[in-house]
Amino acid sequence: GQQVMQIPQYQHVQEGEDFTTYCNSSTTLSNIQWYKQRPGGHPVFLIQLVKSGEVKKQKRLTFQFGEAKKNSSLHITATQTTDVGTYFCAGTGNQFYFGTGTSLTVIP
Amino acid sequence: KAGVTQTPRYLIKTRGQQVTLSCSPISGHRSVSWYQQTPGQGLQFLFEYFSETQRNKGNFPGRFSGRQFSNSRSEMNVSTLELGDSALYLCASSPLSTRNTEAFFGQGTRLTVV
Repeated sequence: GQQVMQIPQYQHVQEGEDFTTYCNSSTTLSNIQWYKQRPGGHPVFLIQLVKSGEVKKQKRLTFQFGEAKKNSSLHITATQTTDVGTYFCAGTGNQFYFGTGTSLTVIP
Repeated sequence: KAGVTQTPRYLIKTRGQQVTLSCSPISGHRSVSWYQQTPGQGLQFLFEYFSETQRNKGNFPGRFSGRQFSNSRSEMNVSTLELGDSALYLCASSPLSTRNTEAFFGQGTRLTVV
């Protein structure tokens, strides 16, 4: 069946370093959403991408949707301790799938 | 505006029992979705309700069921509980569909089956 995989599963970075998480689907997605979940918290919506090749920015965060609409990435520039959490992508294909998540730790 | 409210926050049940979880969406939101979150399986989609009708369903056994009321509040029921049902159950609401618009999550219900 369709799956949405994310890599890496875990990432430790020094504060100020960049961070990227990648999301890959086995089938074409109609859209992709990104969520952030802080430790002990619930997922919070960050953004939705719909168009092939779409790029959106939110301050230090850059989101991309692949040309084939099968992959997406989230890039954080100059990480801060407030960026700690698990980042999930979620895509709509035959069903609605959440990615496996990338847990980000930022070392001060 | 009040957020998504889930009750209870914590629950301990015995294997074989059944459980009902409740979710009150943000006022005006008509779509409610349910998810199961476990460390091993991540976030898995259970089902989505819109205007009292189940619109989408994930790959869960029939022991997992839900419903939505005319005021958009939703309940999820799990019968014949198994140890593997221990998880954080999250609901999310959205004005139209959580699949293609921003979804607002509740704090979740932590279910432990012993």
